[in-house]
Amino acid sequence: SQQGEEDPQALSIQEGENATMNCSYKTSINNLQWYRQNSGRGLVHLILIRSNEREKHSGRLRVTLDTSKKSSSLLITASRAADTASYFCATVAAGANSKLTFGKGITLSVRP
Amino acid sequence: EAGVAQSPRYKIIEKRQSVAFWCNPISGHATLYWYQQILGQGPKLLIQFQNNGVVDDSQLPKDRFSAERLKGVDSTLKIQPAKLEDSAVYLCASSLQGAKTGELFFGEGSRLTVL
Repeated sequence: SQQGEEDPQALSIQEGENATMNCSYKTSINNLQWYRQNSGRGLVHLILIRSNEREKHSGRLRVTLDTSKKSSSLLITASRAADTASYFCATVAAGANSKLTFGKGITLSVRP
Repeated sequence: EAGVAQSPRYKIIEKRQSVAFWCNPISGHATLYWYQQILGQGPKLLIQFQNNGVVDDSQLPKDRFSAERLKGVDSTLKIQPAKLEDSAVYLCASSLQGAKTGELFFGEGSRLTVL
């Protein structure tokens, strides 16, 4: 079963704009991770946020986590055409083994 | 540092035939995962190894799928016999000590088409 549900399913923006993607999950987590997948390629890890953290930054990426609402958001600032990809949130359930469960993903298109 | 290697990249077979995929994880990574990704969906975990032991195979269709990780390094995933619904990309990933402590590194995947 898929733990994370991303929203929206698809997002189209202009280069230079910010992109915000949301993820909701159902059970308590150990950590939440965001991955990017370019068409026809494998997944690339972007950022990991632990259940006791509220916000993390990595370059143009900002991730927030609200465990009371069981939700996370990924913000990409000053988007570029190269950011066009599918983005997935994935969770490790609290107390579980290291099973990483993915959502269905968000397709981001950045128009030049 | 070499990444996760997978082969073959593409495979086309007819239903009821068999197929095998190979994965070589990053050196020193104890945890290895096989995911199935159907077009337009997120990856679904099939099996997870810690060294050469199985940690989770709850979503592996064991009547047709099998996987092994000999000597805790390379891994193979086999499908026999294949069904049309097995058409997907099979992704292998490895991690130093598992997703509870860090990120997964993915290979490029093996795309299977079952006719």
